[in-house]
Amino acid sequence: EAQVTQNPRYLITVTGKKLTVTCSQNMNHEYMSWYRQDPGLGLRQIYYSMNVEVTDKGDVPEGYKVSRKEKRNFPLILESPSPNQTSLYFCASSAGRTDTQYFGPGTRLTVL
Amino acid sequence: GENVEQHPSTLSVQEGDSAVIKCTYSDSASNYFPWYKQELGKRPQLIIDIRSNVGEKKDQRIAVTLNKTAKHFSLHITETQPEDSAVYFCAASMEGYNNNDMRFGAGTRLTVKP
Repeated sequence: EAQVTQNPRYLITVTGKKLTVTCSQNMNHEYMSWYRQDPGLGLRQIYYSMNVEVTDKGDVPEGYKVSRKEKRNFPLILESPSPNQTSLYFCASSAGRTDTQYFGPGTRLTVL
Repeated sequence: GENVEQHPSTLSVQEGDSAVIKCTYSDSASNYFPWYKQELGKRPQLIIDIRSNVGEKKDQRIAVTLNKTAKHFSLHITETQPEDSAVYFCAASMEGYNNNDMRFGAGTRLTVKP
């Protein structure tokens, strides 16, 4: 089954404790992206990747890191989480920039 | 960079009526305009998209229109049903490598009353 998976689905952590949210897709998509969703602000792009070893900042990259060492995986790293990073995070993948994006199930992160 | 504005933020209609959601974009180079539906507690899913070489696209009860001159595009849902209740997001993007990637509108919460 074609899908995008994210882990963990829910996470409560404390300020400053490094965490990684994993994202994996099995559709051989070149394009992957991370979004955060906050009430009234829609989906804001954090980082995106056009292919392996190619990543770029989106609208709200501050406080986040990503890597794309393999085509299927695109982890999101928060080196020192802060309460303003409390949000719902979605990973997405597509064949190309202007193709249908398939979203993962979301990760609800709370930073205390 | 690209900026996408979406209106209204909330929309309530009676079952069977039509619903229209409008979006404007700022970058005339944008050429791909998808619409996503997000049901409560679920992930966004594409419902329809349009590229800049056409002015209208229809899929059963859903249609999207694009006015490139005015830089706006709209989602039209006819004969609305309660299961159409969701948050709808428009977005704009463009082909080719550049610093302006996919931009989403803030969303419209549609409620269809039975």
